[in-house]
Amino acid sequence: EPEVTQTPSHQVTQMGQEVILRCVPISNHLYFYWYRQILGQKVEFLVSFYNNEISEKSEIFDDQFSVERPDGSNFTLKIRSTKLEDSAMYFCASNAGGSKSDTQYFGPGTRLTVL
Amino acid sequence: SQELEQSPQSLIVQEGKNLTINCTSSKTLYGLYWYKQKYGEGLIFLMMLQKGGEEKSHEKITAKLDEKKQQSSLHITASQPSHAGIYLCGAVGRAGNNRKLIWGLGTSLAVNP
Repeated sequence: EPEVTQTPSHQVTQMGQEVILRCVPISNHLYFYWYRQILGQKVEFLVSFYNNEISEKSEIFDDQFSVERPDGSNFTLKIRSTKLEDSAMYFCASNAGGSKSDTQYFGPGTRLTVL
Repeated sequence: SQELEQSPQSLIVQEGKNLTINCTSSKTLYGLYWYKQKYGEGLIFLMMLQKGGEEKSHEKITAKLDEKKQQSSLHITASQPSHAGIYLCGAVGRAGNNRKLIWGLGTSLAVNP
């Protein structure tokens, strides 16, 4: 069964460093998402991406964040200068698109630890 | 902004017992999703409900949507240790396709053998 994959599973970085989180959505899916979950808190929406552009973003998704689909398979989230409060589990999701295919399928997540 | 409240926050049951988890929205629901998460892992899709009164089942898990109450319930019959985990409800807060999901805090379920 097709699934969303994410790498790395765990990333440790120093405050101020840039990190890139990678995702491979399900093949043929058209919509892509990033969410994050700070330990003990709700899952929060960051950004959605469709047709090579951002379709929606949250207040969290400021200038420090960017997304890219560099090729036909990868979808990346870049954090330019990490802060302690960026420590969280980051989830990538994708859906096929269309009114009957709204289900978002999630990857296993990348645990980001900022020291 | 829309908020989702889940109850209870945690639940411990004996294997074989039935249980219900509720998810209540502060605003109109345009779609309600149930996911399961094992600690520190990804979110596994369980069911999606879109219409008032809709009820879906998968194995021993049944979910219902009460549009008027802006509420969904997840019911597990004859629980098993494999049902243990965190159950999250996610909702689409406005009309349109492929919208972001907002989430409840989750209900942590433990099933004692």
